[in-house]
Amino acid sequence: AQTIHQWPVAEIKAVGSPLSLGCTIKGKSSPNLYWYWQATGGTLQQLFYSITVGQVESVVQLNLSASRPKDDQFILSTEKLLLSHSGFYLCAWGIQENTLYFGEGSRLIVV
Amino acid sequence: GDKVKQSPSALSLQEGTNSALRCNFSIAATTVQWFLQNPRGSLMNLFYLVPGTKENGRLKSAFDSKESYSTLHIRDAQLEDSGTYFCAADNMGYKLTFGTGTSLLVDP
Repeated sequence: AQTIHQWPVAEIKAVGSPLSLGCTIKGKSSPNLYWYWQATGGTLQQLFYSITVGQVESVVQLNLSASRPKDDQFILSTEKLLLSHSGFYLCAWGIQENTLYFGEGSRLIVV
Repeated sequence: GDKVKQSPSALSLQEGTNSALRCNFSIAATTVQWFLQNPRGSLMNLFYLVPGTKENGRLKSAFDSKESYSTLHIRDAQLEDSGTYFCAADNMGYKLTFGTGTSLLVDP
């Protein structure tokens, strides 16, 4: 069975500090990977997607970057956090254009 | 404006009753997915639809690409159906546009 794990579960970070969120998928080779962001009470906004190792496409610019260093790993990061980065970050995987499966999410509070 | 608009935005149901949620698209959707987000934040996929209908237990969903809408019917609502329902439209391959969401509360 496939599993998706996100880390950390939650973080409180200072404005201007760096951030790294991670996502690991087990049990599925060469999945498509996605990062989404959700403001409190809001909808999901797609940030990035990756079809293969080393290749990441940006969907919306939010002063964030993403990388896929391994087939089963997707990293979201920034060197300087803004207050507007607060929210809930969700990683998802899918095969070709089929059903998306989401991780449990990482909650970020920027102070 | 919102490219994928859901209605109603919030709904309260008595346990055992039925309801319908709707999703209207202003983009040319080729497929639609429906998700349920629980209070902890994780999303569960309910349906993946090409134009047509699907049924799974007490849930039934339809997608009409020509009229640009999708519906999710809940029959015999249960307490565990509470949460936020999102539809999401795919019209550009790997880019999925999520709707505004419907917050559902099922009361005993």
